Amino acid sequence: DVKVTQSSRYLVKRTGEKVFLECVQDMDHENMFWYRQDPGLGLRLIYFSYDVKMKEKGDIPEGYSVSREKKERFSLILESASTNQTSMYLCASTYVRVSTDTQYFGPGTRLTVL
Amino acid sequence: DQQVKQNSPSLSVQEGRISILNCDYTNSMFDYFLWYKKYPAEGPTFLISISSIKDKNEDGRFTVFLNKSAKHLSLHIVPSQPGDSAVYFCAARVYNQGGKLIFGQGTELSVKP
Repeated sequence: DVKVTQSSRYLVKRTGEKVFLECVQDMDHENMFWYRQDPGLGLRLIYFSYDVKMKEKGDIPEGYSVSREKKERFSLILESASTNQTSMYLCASTYVRVSTDTQYFGPGTRLTVL
Repeated sequence: DQQVKQNSPSLSVQEGRISILNCDYTNSMFDYFLWYKKYPAEGPTFLISISSIKDKNEDGRFTVFLNKSAKHLSLHIVPSQPGDSAVYFCAARVYNQGGKLIFGQGTELSVKP
């Protein structure tokens, strides 16, 4: 069974703090993704990574950065948290050598920025 | 510009009846379409998919239909069960972009006993 884990289920931070969200997958997947989920907006892609040290901007990268130093780990960084970054953050991974493979999601981190 | 749209934010169905969830898309470069199911406080889980070269895929109680000319797909659940109550996301995979998915807004399905 594929397992994608996220470092925290719930997180409360203050405006201006630097926030790290960690994601780890155990299936040797090449590609990893960070999304945020907001009511009425669905899942929106923030950043994704094809390989170690590789990253690509998604649809809403502003205010975020990412780091992928090891294949199994993909970190999302909020350099200076703002209240409009309060959201559910979801990490996913996929094994693209199998054309029909889907994305496997972690349980999510509910981030509140006060 | 929303490339994948689910225009119904919610749907309520009686147990045992059919649930039909709809999704529209605008981009002809999508090669796969997927449905994910999400319970509160959990990550989405994959439910069923369909290749853009097919028009139907069935897996147990779940069937996905694809109408390419109308750029429309639908998920049918028959018979609906209370455990099916969740948010359902339609997603489209972008051809040759490393598995990148574009998601719809989601439809919250409630199946009443």
